[in-house]
Amino acid sequence: DADVTQTPRNRITKTGKRIMLECSQTKGHDRMYWYRQDPGLGLRLIYYSFDVKDINKGEISDGYSVSRQAQAKFSLSLESAIPNQTALYFCATTLGSGNTGELFFGEGSRLTVL
Amino acid sequence: QQPVQSPQAVILREGEDAVINCSSSKALYSVHWYRQKHGEAPVFLMILLKGGEQKGHEKISASFNEKKQQSSLYLTASQLSYSGTYFCGTDFGNEKLTFGTGTRLTIIP
Repeated sequence: DADVTQTPRNRITKTGKRIMLECSQTKGHDRMYWYRQDPGLGLRLIYYSFDVKDINKGEISDGYSVSRQAQAKFSLSLESAIPNQTALYFCATTLGSGNTGELFFGEGSRLTVL
Repeated sequence: QQPVQSPQAVILREGEDAVINCSSSKALYSVHWYRQKHGEAPVFLMILLKGGEQKGHEKISASFNEKKQQSSLYLTASQLSYSGTYFCGTDFGNEKLTFGTGTRLTIIP
């Protein structure tokens, strides 16, 4: 089993629908991140969390919200999905303390908004 | 501020060498390098901390020029398995990574 698990792996939805992408990890890491990947744009940070009580906005947080339900779980929500949120979404974790350590990525969630 | 990677794409024959560059307009605390194969998640290659340290990973090594805010990834005697998109990630000391747009490397036999 993967150490960082994302569900669903693929999702097609319609404009205006609420979508939740879930991430769970068994690595015992405190820090968790949500990135979005679009062709030619690389990976852009949406939100990140250093522990259950800590949530921070990344570069492109508009239109997204997150919830850190437990140390091991970090969910990304699109309250009202729009077509330009069609992308590949990655969750990542790292052991925190000082500078950013190696990121461990989930397998990705491909979201299509029609 | 996304770091700038160059080149955007490169095609090599097996056994040739490649250099991928990453530059930032802001002072860097560390630089990460990741490789992503098509349809897969990015995988960590190495971290370089400020201090000009050079690191290696098999025939892949990297350097970090703190003064110039630049890092370079060196792939020596490339193998087919090196194909993929390479991303640098920059840490400005705020404990999050900002990734470049990637360099697509294609190795042909």
